[in-house]
Amino acid sequence: QVQLVQSGVEVKKPGASVKVSCRTSGYTFSTYDISWVRQAPGQGLEWLGCITAYTYTTHYAQKFQGRVTMTTDSSTTTAYMELLSLTSDDTAIYYCARGGRSWSNFDSWGQGTQVTVSS
Amino acid sequence: QSVLTQPPSASGTPGQRVTISCSGSTSNIGNYLVNWYQQLPGTAPKVVIYSNNQRPSGVPDRFSGSKFGTSASLAISGLQSADEADYFCSAWDDGLNGWVFGGGTKLTVL
Repeated sequence: QVQLVQSGVEVKKPGASVKVSCRTSGYTFSTYDISWVRQAPGQGLEWLGCITAYTYTTHYAQKFQGRVTMTTDSSTTTAYMELLSLTSDDTAIYYCARGGRSWSNFDSWGQGTQVTVSS
Repeated sequence: QSVLTQPPSASGTPGQRVTISCSGSTSNIGNYLVNWYQQLPGTAPKVVIYSNNQRPSGVPDRFSGSKFGTSASLAISGLQSADEADYFCSAWDDGLNGWVFGGGTKLTVL
């Protein structure tokens, strides 16, 4: 079955960067996009962007342009999301999800990674 | 402030039918497919309706979706306590050139 397993809890200081991983299995990695979605405490969902696994093409939300980098490693079928210049507003649970094209949906999700930014 | 507008809460008693609305614009719902996600407490979201009205395998047929113009709705019939969760609508937005979500609706089963 399709599985997305994310890396563990992160605690960072303001100004630092964080890199979260998402290891996938159970499907052909190259045939799907991977999106990243975050959820601040008690808040809704926010899409950060997506990456096409086989072409490494990225598409970032306007809000995060210049501050987020998404990559993939086909040899380990793992996706990565790095967010720079963290502030307390970046404290959230970060999810990876399969899918990203405008006609698709996010049909499988990772378990989430808690990222806390605090001095 | 979310791009898509949902009521913050909804409720019903077991066995009832409840409907959750999602309002958008021609930049999103009006021209793109709508998906609905269910988020049980402390878990990741899960798609319950995709492409406006399609149910993934494993989702009970008590869940249904519809879209008209720039609005969409999720209906849950035969309400069960297991349906108590947050529900989010989502669609592509061509003005923002990305996915947008509603603020979420907390469904309480009384």
